[in-house]
Amino acid sequence: DIQMTQSPASLSVSVGETVTITCRASENIYSNLAWYQQKQGKSPQLLVYAATNLADGVPSRFSGSGSGTQYSLKINSLQSEDFGSYYCQHFWGTPWTFGGGTKLEIK
Amino acid sequence: EVKLVESGGGLVKPGGSLKLSCAASGFTFSSYAMSWVRQTPEKRLEWVASISSGGSTYYPDSVKGRFTISRDNARNILYLQMSSLRSEDTAMYYCARAKTYYYGSSSYWYFDVWGAGTTVTVSS
Repeated sequence: DIQMTQSPASLSVSVGETVTITCRASENIYSNLAWYQQKQGKSPQLLVYAATNLADGVPSRFSGSGSGTQYSLKINSLQSEDFGSYYCQHFWGTPWTFGGGTKLEIK
Repeated sequence: EVKLVESGGGLVKPGGSLKLSCAASGFTFSSYAMSWVRQTPEKRLEWVASISSGGSTYYPDSVKGRFTISRDNARNILYLQMSSLRSEDTAMYYCARAKTYYYGSSSYWYFDVWGAGTTVTVSS
């Protein structure tokens, strides 16, 4: 099974700052990666698919990058509504595993 | 509006069974692959099962042989039959629509719509 190692596990940041979350796959996943945002008490929401494509309605301050085994989600100029948890998920062969998550908290 | 609504969760004893349902609306259900994903009390997300539009099914080893995913395209409902339940199956269970993005000769999967979830607790 492909393991997804996400870092950091938690992050305390201020509104307006820029944040980068990373996901490392245990083998090449050929950009078959999605990022999700989850707010407290809600279901995950799609942010990015195929490593770099923003989902409909996602603000342009979010961006995805990476290839091979290393991927990143960058959030420019954090807004208050961006706080919550973020997860990556690979889709390169089953089982489709998730990263452990990153909890973004207000400083 | 595209919507997924799960139901059927509850408290069940170890070794017991439970059947979850997911009612879909706002899109052509029969044209999409569908999946179940669960979130443990520790907030870890785990893919549980998927079914293609044609009815092929896929499971991780952790639930293979115990869980069965199925769909009723006439009623726009996705199911997850769970048996031989264990304490580690305790989680919030989400239904998700699976979509494919095509670029050149490559295809990329992702879950673009999620339901609000239904809670399953396995405890004596």
